[in-house]
Amino acid sequence: AQSVAQPEDQVNVAEGNPLTVKCTYSVSGNPYLFWYVQYPNRGLQFLLKYITGDNLVKGSYGFEAEFNKSQTSFHLKKPSALVSDSALYFCAVRDITGGGNKLTFGTGTQLKVEL
Amino acid sequence: DTGVSQNPRHKITKRGQNVTFRCDPISEHNRLYWYRQTLGQGPEFLTYFQNEAQLEKSRLLSDRFSAERPKGSFSTLEIQRTEQGDSAMYLCASSARQGPNTEAFFGQGTRLTVV
Repeated sequence: AQSVAQPEDQVNVAEGNPLTVKCTYSVSGNPYLFWYVQYPNRGLQFLLKYITGDNLVKGSYGFEAEFNKSQTSFHLKKPSALVSDSALYFCAVRDITGGGNKLTFGTGTQLKVEL
Repeated sequence: DTGVSQNPRHKITKRGQNVTFRCDPISEHNRLYWYRQTLGQGPEFLTYFQNEAQLEKSRLLSDRFSAERPKGSFSTLEIQRTEQGDSAMYLCASSARQGPNTEAFFGQGTRLTVV
Protein backbone atom coordinates (compact mmCIF):
# COMPACT_ATOMS: atom_id res chain seq x y z
CA ALA A 1 0.00 0.00 0.00
CA GLN A 2 1.08 3.56 -0.60
CA SER A 3 1.88 5.63 2.45
CA VAL A 4 3.56 8.83 3.59
CA ALA A 5 5.12 9.67 6.92
CA GLN A 6 5.56 13.08 8.51
CA PRO A 7 8.02 12.52 11.34
CA GLU A 8 7.49 15.87 13.07
CA ASP A 9 4.24 16.76 14.79
CA GLN A 10 5.33 20.40 15.07
CA VAL A 11 7.96 22.63 13.55
CA ASN A 12 8.83 26.01 15.04
CA VAL A 13 10.72 28.62 13.07
CA ALA A 14 11.41 32.33 13.40
CA GLU A 15 9.97 34.68 10.81
CA GLY A 16 12.44 35.33 8.03
CA ASN A 17 14.25 32.04 8.55
CA PRO A 18 14.03 29.14 6.08
CA LEU A 19 11.62 26.37 6.92
CA THR A 20 11.49 22.68 6.11
CA VAL A 21 8.60 20.32 6.73
CA LYS A 22 9.61 16.70 6.22
CA CYS A 23 7.81 13.94 4.37
CA THR A 24 8.92 10.46 3.38
CA TYR A 25 6.97 8.11 1.18
CA SER A 26 6.55 4.43 0.45
CA VAL A 27 5.07 3.48 -2.89
CA SER A 28 5.12 0.69 -5.38
CA GLY A 29 5.63 2.17 -8.80
CA ASN A 30 5.88 5.85 -9.63
CA PRO A 31 5.22 8.29 -6.78
CA TYR A 32 2.55 10.95 -7.21
CA LEU A 33 3.08 13.31 -4.29
CA PHE A 34 1.26 16.39 -3.05
CA TRP A 35 1.41 19.00 -0.30
CA TYR A 36 -1.69 20.60 1.18
CA VAL A 37 -2.11 23.25 3.89
CA GLN A 38 -4.99 23.56 6.34
CA TYR A 39 -5.81 26.72 8.26
CA PRO A 40 -8.06 26.54 11.36
CA ASN A 41 -11.65 25.63 10.54
CA ARG A 42 -10.85 25.54 6.85
CA GLY A 43 -10.56 22.84 4.22
CA LEU A 44 -7.31 21.79 2.67
CA GLN A 45 -5.64 24.03 0.13
CA PHE A 46 -3.42 22.59 -2.58
CA LEU A 47 0.17 23.86 -2.48
CA LEU A 48 2.12 21.82 -4.99
CA LYS A 49 2.62 18.43 -6.59
CA TYR A 50 5.46 16.33 -7.88
CA ILE A 51 5.61 15.80 -11.61
CA THR A 52 8.05 13.23 -12.92
CA GLY A 53 11.38 14.69 -13.93
CA ASP A 54 11.36 17.89 -11.90
CA ASN A 55 13.06 17.26 -8.58
CA LEU A 56 12.47 20.81 -7.36
CA VAL A 57 8.81 21.71 -7.53
CA LYS A 58 7.56 25.27 -7.06
CA GLY A 59 4.11 25.94 -5.69
CA SER A 60 1.84 28.53 -4.17
CA TYR A 61 2.78 31.24 -1.63
CA GLY A 62 6.51 30.84 -2.23
CA PHE A 63 6.64 27.20 -1.18
CA GLU A 64 8.70 24.59 -2.96
CA ALA A 65 9.40 20.92 -2.44
CA GLU A 66 12.39 18.77 -3.18
CA PHE A 67 11.85 15.25 -4.44
CA ASN A 68 14.64 12.82 -3.57
CA LYS A 69 14.18 9.33 -4.96
CA SER A 70 17.12 7.75 -3.18
CA GLN A 71 15.92 8.98 0.20
CA THR A 72 12.21 8.53 -0.70
CA SER A 73 11.56 12.03 0.56
CA PHE A 74 9.49 15.00 -0.56
CA HIS A 75 10.29 17.78 1.89
CA LEU A 76 8.42 21.08 1.79
CA LYS A 77 10.55 24.20 1.95
CA LYS A 78 10.34 27.96 1.96
CA PRO A 79 13.36 30.29 1.93
CA SER A 80 11.86 32.88 4.28
CA ALA A 81 8.99 32.03 6.61
CA LEU A 82 6.10 34.37 7.41
CA VAL A 83 3.90 34.40 10.51
CA SER A 84 0.96 33.85 8.14
CA ASP A 85 2.47 30.51 7.10
CA SER A 86 1.53 29.11 10.50
CA ALA A 87 -0.86 26.25 9.74
CA LEU A 88 -1.18 22.49 9.50
CA TYR A 89 0.63 20.92 6.56
CA PHE A 90 -0.15 17.56 5.03
CA CYS A 91 1.87 15.45 2.65
CA ALA A 92 -0.14 13.03 0.50
CA VAL A 93 0.42 10.30 -2.07
CA ARG A 94 -1.93 9.24 -4.79
CA ASP A 95 -2.89 5.58 -4.44
CA ILE A 96 -3.72 4.12 -7.82
CA THR A 97 -3.58 0.47 -6.80
CA GLY A 98 -6.57 -1.49 -7.99
CA GLY A 99 -7.59 1.30 -10.29
CA GLY A 100 -8.42 3.63 -7.42
CA ASN A 101 -7.67 7.28 -7.26
CA LYS A 102 -7.61 8.26 -3.61
CA LEU A 103 -5.10 10.36 -1.73
CA THR A 104 -3.42 8.88 1.33
CA PHE A 105 -2.38 11.59 3.78
CA GLY A 106 0.24 11.81 6.45
CA THR A 107 -0.67 12.75 10.00
CA GLY A 108 0.22 16.38 9.45
CA THR A 109 2.85 18.78 10.76
CA GLN A 110 1.87 21.92 12.66
CA LEU A 111 4.06 24.81 11.55
CA LYS A 112 4.43 27.70 13.94
CA VAL A 113 6.23 30.80 12.72
CA GLU A 114 7.09 33.27 15.45
CA LEU A 115 8.21 36.88 15.34
CA ASP B 1 -17.30 31.54 -5.21
CA THR B 2 -16.47 28.77 -7.67
CA GLY B 3 -14.82 26.42 -5.18
CA VAL B 4 -16.14 23.23 -3.60
CA SER B 5 -19.10 24.01 -1.37
CA GLN B 6 -20.23 21.91 1.58
CA ASN B 7 -23.38 22.24 3.67
CA PRO B 8 -23.95 22.46 6.50
CA ARG B 9 -20.66 23.69 7.95
CA HIS B 10 -21.54 22.37 11.38
CA LYS B 11 -23.98 19.71 12.56
CA ILE B 12 -24.75 18.63 16.09
CA THR B 13 -26.93 15.57 16.40
CA LYS B 14 -28.03 13.12 19.03
CA ARG B 15 -26.73 9.58 18.94
CA GLY B 16 -28.99 7.38 16.87
CA GLN B 17 -30.22 10.13 14.58
CA ASN B 18 -29.60 10.22 10.82
CA VAL B 19 -27.68 13.05 9.19
CA THR B 20 -27.08 14.05 5.59
CA PHE B 21 -24.35 16.29 4.20
CA ARG B 22 -24.20 17.89 0.79
CA CYS B 23 -21.26 18.65 -1.45
CA ASP B 24 -21.30 20.80 -4.57
CA PRO B 25 -18.07 20.29 -6.51
CA ILE B 26 -16.43 22.73 -8.89
CA SER B 27 -18.81 22.74 -11.84
CA GLU B 28 -16.65 21.16 -14.53
CA HIS B 29 -15.14 18.51 -12.26
CA ASN B 30 -16.32 14.97 -12.90
CA ARG B 31 -14.48 13.34 -9.98
CA LEU B 32 -15.73 13.72 -6.42
CA TYR B 33 -14.27 12.37 -3.18
CA TRP B 34 -15.36 12.15 0.44
CA TYR B 35 -12.85 12.05 3.28
CA ARG B 36 -13.13 12.01 7.06
CA GLN B 37 -10.72 13.81 9.36
CA THR B 38 -10.52 13.35 13.10
CA LEU B 39 -8.54 15.51 15.49
CA GLY B 40 -4.81 15.06 15.13
CA GLN B 41 -5.09 12.92 12.02
CA GLY B 42 -4.84 13.42 8.31
CA PRO B 43 -7.93 13.01 6.15
CA GLU B 44 -8.95 9.40 5.50
CA PHE B 45 -10.54 8.36 2.24
CA LEU B 46 -14.17 7.26 2.34
CA THR B 47 -15.44 7.05 -1.22
CA TYR B 48 -14.97 8.28 -4.78
CA PHE B 49 -17.29 9.04 -7.70
CA GLN B 50 -16.57 9.51 -11.34
CA ASN B 51 -19.63 11.28 -12.69
CA GLU B 52 -22.55 9.41 -11.08
CA ALA B 53 -20.71 6.11 -10.65
CA GLN B 54 -19.34 5.25 -7.21
CA LEU B 55 -16.08 3.58 -8.14
CA GLU B 56 -14.38 3.00 -4.83
CA LYS B 57 -15.41 2.67 -1.19
CA SER B 58 -13.17 2.42 1.82
CA ARG B 59 -13.59 -0.25 4.45
CA LEU B 60 -14.15 2.71 6.76
CA LEU B 61 -17.50 3.20 5.07
CA SER B 62 -19.69 0.98 7.20
CA ASP B 63 -23.20 -0.09 6.29
CA ARG B 64 -24.51 2.97 8.12
CA PHE B 65 -22.84 5.25 5.59
CA SER B 66 -24.16 5.83 2.10
CA ALA B 67 -23.13 8.29 -0.56
CA GLU B 68 -24.82 9.27 -3.78
CA ARG B 69 -24.17 11.48 -6.74
CA PRO B 70 -27.38 11.10 -8.68
CA LYS B 71 -26.78 13.30 -11.70
CA GLY B 72 -23.05 13.49 -11.59
CA SER B 73 -23.15 16.95 -10.05
CA PHE B 74 -23.69 17.38 -6.29
CA SER B 75 -23.22 14.54 -3.85
CA THR B 76 -24.76 13.60 -0.52
CA LEU B 77 -23.28 11.60 2.33
CA GLU B 78 -25.77 10.09 4.77
CA ILE B 79 -24.94 8.54 8.11
CA GLN B 80 -27.67 6.47 9.68
CA ARG B 81 -27.98 5.75 13.41
CA THR B 82 -25.08 8.04 14.27
CA GLU B 83 -22.59 7.01 16.94
CA GLN B 84 -20.23 9.15 18.97
CA GLY B 85 -17.34 7.72 16.99
CA ASP B 86 -18.76 9.35 13.88
CA SER B 87 -17.83 12.78 15.25
CA ALA B 88 -15.35 14.18 12.78
CA MET B 89 -14.83 16.67 9.98
CA TYR B 90 -16.23 15.36 6.70
CA LEU B 91 -14.40 16.76 3.70
CA CYS B 92 -15.44 16.73 0.07
CA ALA B 93 -13.04 17.23 -2.82
CA SER B 94 -13.28 17.32 -6.59
CA SER B 95 -10.90 17.07 -9.49
CA ALA B 96 -11.18 17.63 -13.20
CA ARG B 97 -8.98 15.41 -15.24
CA GLN B 98 -7.88 11.85 -15.24
CA GLY B 99 -4.32 11.12 -14.33
CA PRO B 100 -2.69 10.33 -11.01
CA ASN B 101 -0.95 13.69 -10.74
CA THR B 102 -4.17 15.69 -10.91
CA GLU B 103 -4.73 17.71 -7.75
CA ALA B 104 -7.99 17.62 -5.83
CA PHE B 105 -9.65 20.76 -4.49
CA PHE B 106 -11.27 20.55 -1.09
CA GLY B 107 -14.30 22.18 0.44
CA GLN B 108 -14.28 23.68 3.92
CA GLY B 109 -15.83 20.58 5.41
CA THR B 110 -18.79 19.71 7.59
CA ARG B 111 -17.99 19.26 11.25
CA LEU B 112 -20.21 16.62 12.82
CA THR B 113 -20.63 16.35 16.58
CA VAL B 114 -22.62 13.41 17.92
CA VAL B 115 -23.80 13.90 21.49
